[in-house]
Amino acid sequence: SQQGEEDPQALSIQEGENATMNCSYKTSINNLQWYRQNSGRGLVHLILIRSNEREKHSGRLRVTLDTSKKSSSLLITASRAADTASYFCATDEVFGAGTILRVKS
Amino acid sequence: EAGVAQSPRYKIIEKRQSVAFWCNPISGHATLYWYQQILGQGPKLLIQFQNNGVVDDSQLPKDRFSAERLKGVDSTLKIQPAKLEDSAVYLCASSPGTDTGKLFFGSGTQLSVL
Repeated sequence: SQQGEEDPQALSIQEGENATMNCSYKTSINNLQWYRQNSGRGLVHLILIRSNEREKHSGRLRVTLDTSKKSSSLLITASRAADTASYFCATDEVFGAGTILRVKS
Repeated sequence: EAGVAQSPRYKIIEKRQSVAFWCNPISGHATLYWYQQILGQGPKLLIQFQNNGVVDDSQLPKDRFSAERLKGVDSTLKIQPAKLEDSAVYLCASSPGTDTGKLFFGSGTQLSVL
């Protein structure tokens, strides 16, 4: 079974816009991670946020975690065509179904 | 630092045949994972090893899937016999420690069962 559920399933934006993806999970967690997967490739780790953290930044990425709502969000600012990929949240090695992001140039 | 190596990259077999996938994790990584990713879905954990011991194989279909990690380094995942629904990408990942943390993924093996 999958712990995380991403929303939306697919997102299409213009280059330069911001992209926000959400993840909800069911049980208590130690940490939550976000990964990116380009078509036909393995997953690449983006960012990890621990259960006692509320927000974390890495370059153009901003992740928030609300343990009371069992949800997290990933914000990609000033998106680029190269950001086109699938994005997954994972809790304790269990992955959600992912959000497909398409950035149009 | 070399990444997680997987082979073969692609495999096409007939149903009821056998197939094996190989994974060499990043040197020194104690934990190794095998995931199955069906098209359009997220990766599903099949089995987790800590060194050469199994930590979690609750979602491994043991009637047809088997995995081993001899000497706590590289690992093989086998399917025997394969079914049409086994068509998927099989991803191997490794991580340094026992606590849940960053996973490093290989490029995967794309299996097509005809």
